[in-house]
Amino acid sequence: DTVLTQSPALAVSPGERVTISCRASESVSTGMHWYQQKPGQQPKLLIYGASNLESGVPARFSGSGSGTDFTLTIDPVEADDTATYFCQQSWNDRTFGGGTKLELK
Amino acid sequence: QVQLKESGPGLVQPSQTLSLTCTVSGFSLTSNSVHWVRQPPGKGLEWVGAIWSGGSTDYNSALKSRLSISRDTSKSQVFLKMNSLQTEDTAIYFCTRQGPYGSFHYWGQGVMVTVSS
Repeated sequence: DTVLTQSPALAVSPGERVTISCRASESVSTGMHWYQQKPGQQPKLLIYGASNLESGVPARFSGSGSGTDFTLTIDPVEADDTATYFCQQSWNDRTFGGGTKLELK
Repeated sequence: QVQLKESGPGLVQPSQTLSLTCTVSGFSLTSNSVHWVRQPPGKGLEWVGAIWSGGSTDYNSALKSRLSISRDTSKSQVFLKMNSLQTEDTAIYFCTRQGPYGSFHYWGQGVMVTVSS
């Protein structure tokens, strides 16, 4: 199985730029997607195909990467962005990263 | 608009079989693939399995021996059956419609399943 590794937590101040990383144990080409999940809610798709912004998602969110290293960037961060962010790959079956909990200072 | 809604028992006894239903609207199951994803309380997401638009299935290799996914296209429903349940299967179970590039585009609200005697 393709293992996706994310940092467990980050804390940033509103208005700052934050990058959330996801590393795959083997190449997933650009089959990487990013989700935001708030407590008690289902995940919400933000980025698909590594860098494509889902319709309706603010342009503050962007994604980059290919192969094994991927990044989700939020610039600038707003208070409402407090959530857990998950990466997911679709190149080799389907697996998720463990999630990065974003907190605002 | 696209909607997915999970239903099923909230409590299942250990060693018993879990049966869940995902009722969809706003799209056709013969043109779209539906996946199941689960999330233990306070933990991350785990892909469970999928039924593709053509009717074939794929399962998480760790769950494959206990899992079956099927559908009734006339009722716009997808079914998950998992046997030999253990406490580790306690989770919120989501159904989700596949989106572009293999992403998960639309999600149901999820149904909480507790495995306990």
